[in-house]
Amino acid sequence: SQELEQSPQSLIVQEGKNLTINCTSSKTLYGLYWYKQKYGEGLIFLMMLQKGGEEKSHEKITAKLDEKKQQSSLHITASQPSHAGIYLCGAEKDSNQFYFGTGTSLTVIP
Amino acid sequence: GAVVSQHPSWVICKSGTSVKIECRSLDFQATTMFWYRQFPKQSLMLMATSNEGSKATYEQGVEKDKFLINHASLTLSTLTVTSAHPEDSSFYICSAPLGGRGSRDSAYEQYFGPGTRLTVT
Repeated sequence: SQELEQSPQSLIVQEGKNLTINCTSSKTLYGLYWYKQKYGEGLIFLMMLQKGGEEKSHEKITAKLDEKKQQSSLHITASQPSHAGIYLCGAEKDSNQFYFGTGTSLTVIP
Repeated sequence: GAVVSQHPSWVICKSGTSVKIECRSLDFQATTMFWYRQFPKQSLMLMATSNEGSKATYEQGVEKDKFLINHASLTLSTLTVTSAHPEDSSFYICSAPLGGRGSRDSAYEQYFGPGTRLTVT
């Protein structure tokens, strides 16, 4: 079973709209990663959050890790077709195994 | 920065044959590597943890006899899909963590290979 739940599972937005993707863990996270990917292609690292309350931005993408370090949100401002893809959160367990979230498929309609 | 490579990047094989996929850490040593598979429109699922010098540990539901993992050195792990069937067609990706965790509040850095697309006909 997946230990990292993402919501929504899929998202279709009009170009220019803002959107948010959530990643929730039942356990405290040592670090939370966000990736973008298209099926059959490699992962594009977006950002990593470690500290509770931390927020990072890259271009039009902002990610936050809540104070309790059990949930993260990824926010895209003024979405563009180039933002389309699968967004994956990932996190490490005690044994340094790395798990991915359930994934969110984003479609941006021009 | 740290780089992880995979070979081949894509492979087509006939049903019943075996296919080997290599994962290499190019500029760092990795005592542990991870193997994932991905089906279309789904997330990446952890299959197994490859441990240098010891047996791999498999996630629940992953057949160890079908997906043979060998961590031959500190820079190489191989995944062999034995007696491949069309349902094994998938995208396989490996990763290797870099660095130690200084405290419980810090995380390892994970580096991912570019992936291997396997098609079994």
